[in-house]
Amino acid sequence: DQQVKQNSPSLSVQEGRISILNCDYTNSMFDYFLWYKKYPAEGPTFLISISSIKDKNEDGRFTVFLNKSAKHLSLHIVPSQPGDSAVYFCAASGLRANAGKSTFGDGTTLTVKP
Amino acid sequence: DTAVSQTPKYLVTQMGNDKSIKCEQNLGHDTMYWYKQDSKKFLKIMFSYNNKELIINETVPNRFSPKSPDKAHLNLHINSLELGDSAVYFCASSHLLAGAKNIQYFGAGTRLSVL
Repeated sequence: DQQVKQNSPSLSVQEGRISILNCDYTNSMFDYFLWYKKYPAEGPTFLISISSIKDKNEDGRFTVFLNKSAKHLSLHIVPSQPGDSAVYFCAASGLRANAGKSTFGDGTTLTVKP
Repeated sequence: DTAVSQTPKYLVTQMGNDKSIKCEQNLGHDTMYWYKQDSKKFLKIMFSYNNKELIINETVPNRFSPKSPDKAHLNLHINSLELGDSAVYFCASSHLLAGAKNIQYFGAGTRLSVL
């Protein structure tokens, strides 16, 4: 049972436009949702997070939206830049949900075209 | 100065061999993890140690044995390697007691190829 899902394996957008990456989850006990970014031949790096008690968190060009009733979150990147091309992983964690470990989605490969 | 370092970066070996991957973190974190990323790019947790104690042990063949000599190190030993073990293995660390957010810091990965 995959508790965190990213249904789009890939996304391609034009430089300067908005990138929207989506993530769905099934466990309502998650306390935090995190986005990680991964370049080839590197490990994932933390990008932005949101607490389950909030519906939006913004950090520069990156904004994460959380819809708890739909068990859905999204990462918006505006404006998208070629350097944003990477694999983006959604993750969820919570001491009650999964004993502190993070559960990762399958990842979405974002390609930003110049 | 690399925060989470794992060695080797590449490992090519024959089926049936035994190999080890080492991981060290200098972030002062209390928890370390091993993940396996297979060809489908799915990051699957294998093990987690908190203060040298095993806290997460997912369904992993017992050919895989983690060892944590201290809080800063978590090594992974694999016996009798099989073709299906070919994957990228990531080490990560976090300060679990800091709360449920659990931001993890990853090493660059070890690409294991079993021939």
